[in-house]
Amino acid sequence: DAKTTQPPSMDCAEGRAANLPCNHSTISGNEYVYWYRQIHSQGPQYIIHGLKNNETNEMASLIITEDRKSSTLILPHATLRDTAVYYCIVNSGNTPLVFGKGTRLSVIA
Amino acid sequence: DGGITQSPKYLFRKEGQNVTLSCEQNLNHDAMYWYRQDPGQGLRLIYYSQIVNDFQKGDIAEGYSVSREKKESFPLTVTSAQKNPTAYYLCARSRTRDKAFFGQGTRLTVV
Repeated sequence: DAKTTQPPSMDCAEGRAANLPCNHSTISGNEYVYWYRQIHSQGPQYIIHGLKNNETNEMASLIITEDRKSSTLILPHATLRDTAVYYCIVNSGNTPLVFGKGTRLSVIA
Repeated sequence: DGGITQSPKYLFRKEGQNVTLSCEQNLNHDAMYWYRQDPGQGLRLIYYSQIVNDFQKGDIAEGYSVSREKKESFPLTVTSAQKNPTAYYLCARSRTRDKAFFGQGTRLTVV
């Protein structure tokens, strides 16, 4: 079973920041938080991951709370092409990824 | 393609026939994975392999078989024992303790 909890769906206006929450209250000390997204009819795409520090790359920012029990993926300026299902996954890197149902993000013009 | 190729993109088979889905990677990564996705659902793990000539069952291995004779190839056979084979099949690769890269998937329809 997935060890994360995400809202099933969210909407975001185009050009605004999309903030996608994830709860992972049972995360272990050696587990990372990974985010992937899946655009319709394509394979999942890696976005970002982190252990305890906040991370930023060209796609997104990842904010992890100090107790590591939750995190937020931030897409700073959402576009229509960001409409997808976003998966938050906790994983140590030594085992296969376990996917939940994710959050369906709809970016609206 | 992210260094991983699945073929074909669409596949049709008659009920009762075995079918083999191809997955090839060209980045010398150790680990390869097969997932199944049904409409509106997340991905479920079928099999994975972390080294040549070795593989482990995932959560839904019944009715499937795999081989890992070469590092770059991890074919999945959907056997006639799989009761509901129609699905979207995704293959992935990764280095140890690193992010995974997925192929574009194969949509299998059994009629």
